[in-house]
Amino acid sequence: QVQLVESGGGVVQPGRSLRVSCAASGFTFSTYGMHWVRQAPVKGLEWVAVISFDGSNKYYADSVKGRFTISRDNSKNTLYLQMNSLRPEDTAVYYCAKDLIPWNSYYYYGMDVWGQGTTVTVSS
Amino acid sequence: QSALTQPPSASGSPGQSVTISCTGTSSDVGGYNYVSWYQQHPGKAPKLMIYEVSKRPSGVPDRFSGSKSGNTASLTVSGLQTEDEADYYCSSYAGSNNFVVFGGGTKLTVL
Repeated sequence: QVQLVESGGGVVQPGRSLRVSCAASGFTFSTYGMHWVRQAPVKGLEWVAVISFDGSNKYYADSVKGRFTISRDNSKNTLYLQMNSLRPEDTAVYYCAKDLIPWNSYYYYGMDVWGQGTTVTVSS
Repeated sequence: QSALTQPPSASGSPGQSVTISCTGTSSDVGGYNYVSWYQQHPGKAPKLMIYEVSKRPSGVPDRFSGSKSGNTASLTVSGLQTEDEADYYCSSYAGSNNFVVFGGGTKLTVL
């Protein structure tokens, strides 16, 4: 079945780096854009970043621009989020999510498959 | 502060209908027909309920419907059931600068 599984979360000190991953299965990963969305404790959803199906287009939320980098390896069916210069306000559950529409590079239609999330805690 | 404005709470009795609003600007909700809605139960991942303003993914009951007027989108849940009790989030395409924006979420209580 269609599945996304995040990993790599943990506790990290402010200013340090962390990379989280998302392993995809059950669909043709290389034809779909992928998103990262986060949710701070007892807060709402916050979109973080998106990468197009072929990796040619990437967009970021202002809150992470210049610090976070989204990437993908279509040969490994895996999505990544490299997080540098982490701040306490980056503490959240990080979800990866699949674009609804294949071959989409320019618009946001919706996210139809979500992982279970990985928790990142930034604290000294 | 979220980019899209939702009421923090809504409620209704089983069998009734409830509508949740989502207000943005002409740069997001009002500018594109790319509004989507998500349902999230406690401790679970979000689930797509509505996309492109009013379309339902396969498997979503037709009790859920979406609409838009100007800068405000709405999600209506008809024939409320106890399992509809959850948090609901709207989101919209916001152009190449912001790309995706979410609302702050609405907690729906089925009394």
